[in-house]
Amino acid sequence: DVVMTQSPLSLPVTLGQPASISCSSTQSLVHTNGNTYLNWFQQRPGQSPRRLIYQVSIRDSGVPDRFSGSGSGTDFTLKISRVEAEDVGIYYCMQGTLWPHYTFGQGTKLEIK
Amino acid sequence: QVQLQQSGPGLLKPSQTLSLTCAISGDSVSSITAAWNWIRQSPSGGLEWLGRTYYRSKWFNDYAIFVKSRITVNPDTSKNQFSLQLNSVTPDDTALYFCARDSDHTLDNWGQGTLVTVSS
Repeated sequence: DVVMTQSPLSLPVTLGQPASISCSSTQSLVHTNGNTYLNWFQQRPGQSPRRLIYQVSIRDSGVPDRFSGSGSGTDFTLKISRVEAEDVGIYYCMQGTLWPHYTFGQGTKLEIK
Repeated sequence: QVQLQQSGPGLLKPSQTLSLTCAISGDSVSSITAAWNWIRQSPSGGLEWLGRTYYRSKWFNDYAIFVKSRITVNPDTSKNQFSLQLNSVTPDDTALYFCARDSDHTLDNWGQGTLVTVSS
């Protein structure tokens, strides 16, 4: 199975400052159809995971534009341009390319310094 | 708007069977463009995909290798819901269990989660 590795696992950030989370996979996430199915989820304390970004860089409806995704092949990044208090939580990447077995990164805990 | 509502017991003893249900509104369990998944989150926070059911002219299932011998995911078309059964549970199965809709290689809607504790 493909292994997804995130870094850092803990991310203390000052309000208003940028934040960046990396996610790498042990296999290319480019599907045979040409799409790359790399997703990012946010899990706020006490809530279910919520999808933020799919296919590397497509933001879900209602997701602030301070969130952006990038990357290709095996290396991906989630960036928050200016962290707000509501961004506190755990962020997960997940590959959907190597269907049917989805795999998640370990999670990155974002907190306010 | 798709909503998933989970139900089921939260406390089990070792060797018992875990049974959870996920009721769907805003979509159909028989949809030919969706699949219906179970994922769990360990106490340390890691997310594990467990399995799914989906309809493409007939019903299919996929299961994670590490639970394949113990898991069943079934649709219930009369109630527009799907279920998870995990046999012979141990304390290692203690986790927060989520159902989720799978639409084109992504999980776009999640249930509220059910905490399942396995303890003697």
